[in-house]
Amino acid sequence: QVQLQQWGAGLLKPSETLSLTCTVYGGSFSGYYWSWIRQTPGKGLEWIGEINHSKSTNYNPSLKTRVTISVDTSKNQFSLTLTSVTAADTAVYYCARVTLFGSTWNFDSWGQGALVTVST
Amino acid sequence: EIVLTQSPATLSLSPGEGATLSCRASQSVTTYLAWYQQKPGQAPRLLIYGAFNRATGIPARFGGSGSGTDFTLTISSLEPEDFAVYYCQQRYKWPITFGQGTRLEIK
Repeated sequence: QVQLQQWGAGLLKPSETLSLTCTVYGGSFSGYYWSWIRQTPGKGLEWIGEINHSKSTNYNPSLKTRVTISVDTSKNQFSLTLTSVTAADTAVYYCARVTLFGSTWNFDSWGQGALVTVST
Repeated sequence: EIVLTQSPATLSLSPGEGATLSCRASQSVTTYLAWYQQKPGQAPRLLIYGAFNRATGIPARFGGSGSGTDFTLTISSLEPEDFAVYYCQQRYKWPITFGQGTRLEIK
């Protein structure tokens, strides 16, 4: 049973850099994509981007200029960096595993979520 | 990007009743459509993938249908634990997008 455990700073000031890391326990790291998704009351669920074990990435164009997702396969970890944050980046951030079922990739395991607040 | 519109925003039903939730895409996503359930304080949980396939461990009372732009999630007989928020999600075209959710509440 795979488990995703995430951590990172929960309170940031505007213009700072958000950094979150997700560790994968109990499962293989290869053969999947590893994704970040955030959730706000106003915009709902927003896909941020994803990476696989070969470090191939896909990003949401709305965030692409500020986002980097990286992977450390030796530690079964992947990380999110979001630069120049504003109050609009305040959200619960989730890491998630993306698994191929048939011909579709789906978010089948999720981290516990981390509230990140951007405030002066 | 593909916009997913869910209806209704809120659905009030009683345990034992059947529920029908809709998701409409702004353009065809063929069958690259998934459904998730989210309870307060929890991450979403995958229910349905590929429009109509139940994920591992999902009870048979949950069913998905549709293709192209119109999709439906049905719950045949509501159990108390089914009252939650439900989201549809497409992966046909990047960026991956989610619907705004349907809240299923106890009447």
